[in-house]
Amino acid sequence: DGGITQSPKYLFRKEGQNVTLSCEQNLNHDAMYWYRQDPGQGLRLIYYSQIVNDFQKGDIAEGYSVSREKKESFPLTVTSAQKNPTAFYLCASSIARGLAGETQYFGPGTRLLVL
Amino acid sequence: QKEVEQDPGPLSVPEGAIVSLNCTYSNSAFQYFMWYRQYSRKGPELLMYTYSSGNKEDGRFTAQVDKSSKYISLFIRDSQPSDSATYLCAVEAAGNKLTFGGGTRVLVKP
Repeated sequence: DGGITQSPKYLFRKEGQNVTLSCEQNLNHDAMYWYRQDPGQGLRLIYYSQIVNDFQKGDIAEGYSVSREKKESFPLTVTSAQKNPTAFYLCASSIARGLAGETQYFGPGTRLLVL
Repeated sequence: QKEVEQDPGPLSVPEGAIVSLNCTYSNSAFQYFMWYRQYSRKGPELLMYTYSSGNKEDGRFTAQVDKSSKYISLFIRDSQPSDSATYLCAVEAAGNKLTFGGGTRVLVKP
């Protein structure tokens, strides 16, 4: 089955700790995205990548970092600089970015909680 | 002012009723309009996708876009308990950047 997988489903972070969320897709999509979802605020874009070895900041990139070493994978690291990391994190992909009208497909999400 | 406004609900309806959901947006540059359905603790799934003003129908779902009023709607006919979810509207300008509303939680009671 083609799709997007995210792991883990739940993640706990201790204060001062960096944690990494995994996102993998087998849709052969060029573009991948990370969103953060807080109650009542919809989804906000953290980072996106149009192609391997390239990524751009979204609207709320501070305290986060990403890498795109493989087309299939786009891991997100929540660093200790992110002071309010508790949220639901969603990864998405689309065939390409920059082409208007390309549908984004979402993974099942990772819920990050702070201990 | 948020770029996309959506009533958070919850919107509670009896089974079989019509569910009516709305979003307003502020930027006339938005060209594409989407509705996503999100079940609790799951990722959003695309329900409807429209480009122009007017209506688009898919089974029990109808999406309406009024660009002159910057208003988009989703109607669900013959609602079922399985339609209970949060519905997110999303708008897109050029470059494939999506801007989401906050979501409306819908409860369909048997």
